[in-house]
Amino acid sequence: DVKVTQSSRYLVKRTGEKVFLECVQDMDHENMFWYRQDPGLGLRLIYFSYDVKMKEKGDIPEGYSVSREKKERFSLILESASTNQTSMYLCASSFGQLYSNQPQHFGDGTRLSIL
Amino acid sequence: GEDVEQSLFLSVREGDSSVINCTYTDSSSTYLYWYKQEPGAGLQLLTYIFSNMDMKQDQRLTVLLNKKDKHLSLRIADTQTGDSAIYFCAEKKNGGFKTIFGAGTRLFVKA
Repeated sequence: DVKVTQSSRYLVKRTGEKVFLECVQDMDHENMFWYRQDPGLGLRLIYFSYDVKMKEKGDIPEGYSVSREKKERFSLILESASTNQTSMYLCASSFGQLYSNQPQHFGDGTRLSIL
Repeated sequence: GEDVEQSLFLSVREGDSSVINCTYTDSSSTYLYWYKQEPGAGLQLLTYIFSNMDMKQDQRLTVLLNKKDKHLSLRIADTQTGDSAIYFCAEKKNGGFKTIFGAGTRLFVKA
């Protein structure tokens, strides 16, 4: 089974802090994704990566950055956290070419609260 | 547009069948997925189907695809209280890189 592990289930940070959300997958997947999930808005893609050191903006990249130094790890960074970034963050990975039919596999999510 | 649409709520009695519906945007060549999200957890892949198929069955789950109407359904037979969750339909166009998710259907199972 594919395992996507997010480092924290719950996280509370203060406005202005730099926040790191970590995600690790154990199936040698090429592609990794970060989403946020908000009530009534569904899943929105923040950033994705199709290879080590490669990253692409999704639909809502503002206020976020990412890092992929190793194939198995994809980090989401909130440079200066704001209250409107309080949300559920979901990491996902998928096998093969980005354009293939392989489904995404998700971690359990990190519920982040910014006070 | 890019919308994948689902009804927001469905309530069924334990033991009955549940049918969750979804409409998507591109009938020509696409991959369609069903995910389940339990409270406080991530999305779990249930099944997926390519647009050249009409039906796929996996134990209690049956996926039906109507390409003409761009309509996808997930039927859960003998629904149990453990099936209570949010179910997401998702679409990925052949040759595209982005998976488009619906807003999710919250399934309530009454004992």
